[in-house]
Amino acid sequence: DAGVIQSPRHEVTEMGQEVTLRCKPISGHNSLFWYRQTMMRGLELLIYFNNNVPIDDSGMPEDRFSAKMPNASFSTLKIQPSEPRDSAVYFCASTSGANEQYFGPGTRLTVT
Amino acid sequence: AQKITQTQPGMFVQEKEAVTLDCTYDTSDPSYGLFWYKQPSSGEMIFLIYQGSYDQQNATEGRYSLNFQKARKSANLVISASQLGDSAMYFCAMRTRSSASKIIFGSGTRLSIRP
Repeated sequence: DAGVIQSPRHEVTEMGQEVTLRCKPISGHNSLFWYRQTMMRGLELLIYFNNNVPIDDSGMPEDRFSAKMPNASFSTLKIQPSEPRDSAVYFCASTSGANEQYFGPGTRLTVT
Repeated sequence: AQKITQTQPGMFVQEKEAVTLDCTYDTSDPSYGLFWYKQPSSGEMIFLIYQGSYDQQNATEGRYSLNFQKARKSANLVISASQLGDSAMYFCAMRTRSSASKIIFGSGTRLSIRP
């Protein structure tokens, strides 16, 4: 298995632009998570899905952030419009619900 | 409220020594699981070890073991015979039955191994 796949690995964009991060979970996993990691705030859970349904989006910082999971093998996290304070590493993780979550390599987002 | 606390922001250890990374947790749910993840400088999050709240024995995975003290609500990670490649951030995390699949993470400990 290729593991959790995220794209792009790096994204540099200007303030005000739309950013879309993509994630392909491990096949067979039914839960998917989006995290954000910064030096100041550490690792924060933004939103998670069970069986493609959003369960808890309380960590989504504001309306500029949205996430979708149209099917079991694909999810997106969109920021529109982006701001410099959104600069962070965004991780996607998946699990079958048993024990550990498997993380993707992350997307390093820089908003200038 | 559920919480994970890692009180050591950074540690330095001599190569080949054993090291203990502290983690305490707080939950009222009797059913929970505890995890440790490693994040090297390359940035990926690597799962190391898992301990269930009803497990009778401490979890072990190679050089990693989890010192689970339920009454103290602590789940310290022990790395035996440390290696230079162990230098990384280490995160303790917890999932409870009531939180379903959601995992909360501690703030992490940066471990540096000296040659």
